[in-house]
Amino acid sequence: GAGVSQSPRYKVTKRGQDVALRCDPISGHVSLYWYRQALGQGPEFLTYFNYEAQQDKSGLPNDRFSAERPEGSISTLTIQRTEQRDSAMYRCASSRRTGSPTEAFFGQGTRLTVV
Amino acid sequence: RKEVEQDPGPFNVPEGATVAFNCTYSNSASQSFFWYRQDCRKEPKLLMSVYSSGNEDGRFTAQLNRASQYISLLIRDSKLSDSATYLCVVNGKGSQGNLIFGKGTKLSVKP
Repeated sequence: GAGVSQSPRYKVTKRGQDVALRCDPISGHVSLYWYRQALGQGPEFLTYFNYEAQQDKSGLPNDRFSAERPEGSISTLTIQRTEQRDSAMYRCASSRRTGSPTEAFFGQGTRLTVV
Repeated sequence: RKEVEQDPGPFNVPEGATVAFNCTYSNSASQSFFWYRQDCRKEPKLLMSVYSSGNEDGRFTAQLNRASQYISLLIRDSKLSDSATYLCVVNGKGSQGNLIFGKGTKLSVKP
């Protein structure tokens, strides 16, 4: 399809394991955003990229969280040594251009459950 | 002060009612403003951008007050299908390209 694609859709992992969440943005979109959303809350900003450059990672909760977008297209959000409090919906979005943000298109998200 | 603040609601209104949502933001340098809509268990989708002069799209009107750092969304003649969570979005401080979402205001339109 032509939309933002995230995988896996659902991930259950044991506490202490590492997980990698993948985002495939809309082709040609320059900006890519990662958010975390708890039930009943708005998306919480984690980090974003323009092309392959990480522009802002101020929203990453701690150093267990990292993200990369090495070729300016697909991005991976990695959580090391997962904890139960990391359980949430992780959402990726992309938009056409940099600078003044334009419409961001979201993927369906990855529901992460840490047991 | 949070970067983007909204009244969480819920707003429970009858069909045909007019309802208004408000949002305040903390970064006076913000240049981009949006309202997104999120249906239950779905991803957020753009409802409308918000321009300095105010803008209207059918039953929806958005207003921006830069001096007060305040954004509003007015929905007229509300429909059952308008039931959703409405998210106020502003580009954030420190990095003008990012998008900061409010926690959302839940609207429930009843028959």
